[in-house]
Amino acid sequence: DVKVTQSSRYLVKRTGEKVFLECVQDMDHENMFWYRQDPGLGLRLIYFSYDVKMKEKGDIPEGYSVSREKKERFSLILESASTNQTSMYLCASSLGTHTGELFFGEGSRLTVL
Amino acid sequence: GQNIDQPTEMTATEGAIVQINCTYQTSGFNGLFWYQQHAGEAPTFLSYNVLDGLEEKGRFSSFLSRSKGYSYLLLKELQMKDSASYLCAVMDSNYQLIWGAGTKLIIKP
Repeated sequence: DVKVTQSSRYLVKRTGEKVFLECVQDMDHENMFWYRQDPGLGLRLIYFSYDVKMKEKGDIPEGYSVSREKKERFSLILESASTNQTSMYLCASSLGTHTGELFFGEGSRLTVL
Repeated sequence: GQNIDQPTEMTATEGAIVQINCTYQTSGFNGLFWYQQHAGEAPTFLSYNVLDGLEEKGRFSSFLSRSKGYSYLLLKELQMKDSASYLCAVMDSNYQLIWGAGTKLIIKP
């Protein structure tokens, strides 16, 4: 079974702090994604990566950056957290470039005070 | 713009059948996906439709009509463990997934 592990289930940070969200997958998947999930909205894509050291902006990249130094690890960085970044963050991976079958981590719920 | 619509919440009775609808308007179409997400857990893949018709997988079936921009997820013999949110997603012409807001399904005994 594919396992996608997110480092923190719950985080509370203060406005202006730098936040790191880590995601690791164990099935040698090429593609990794970061989404945020908010009530009443569909999943929104922040960034994605199809290969090591490669990154592409999704629909809402503002205020975020990512790092993919190793194939299995995809990190989301909030350089200066703001209250409107309070959300559930979901990491996902997939095997093929054009597949919609994603494997998700359990999410990181971030609260910015 | 691109849009996926699905009901916000539905209630059904244990042992019954429920149909969750999804309508979409997207730039191109490369498949429709259903995911299940239990509260506080990761979404998990349920089904994939790219051609018109019905795909059956145990108690769950998914239907697609591309000409109508419409899909439904049919759950039979409902069990309490089916209480979850069901997410509809469409892959557009750029192979990006567009997600609906999800339908929260409540199962009552």
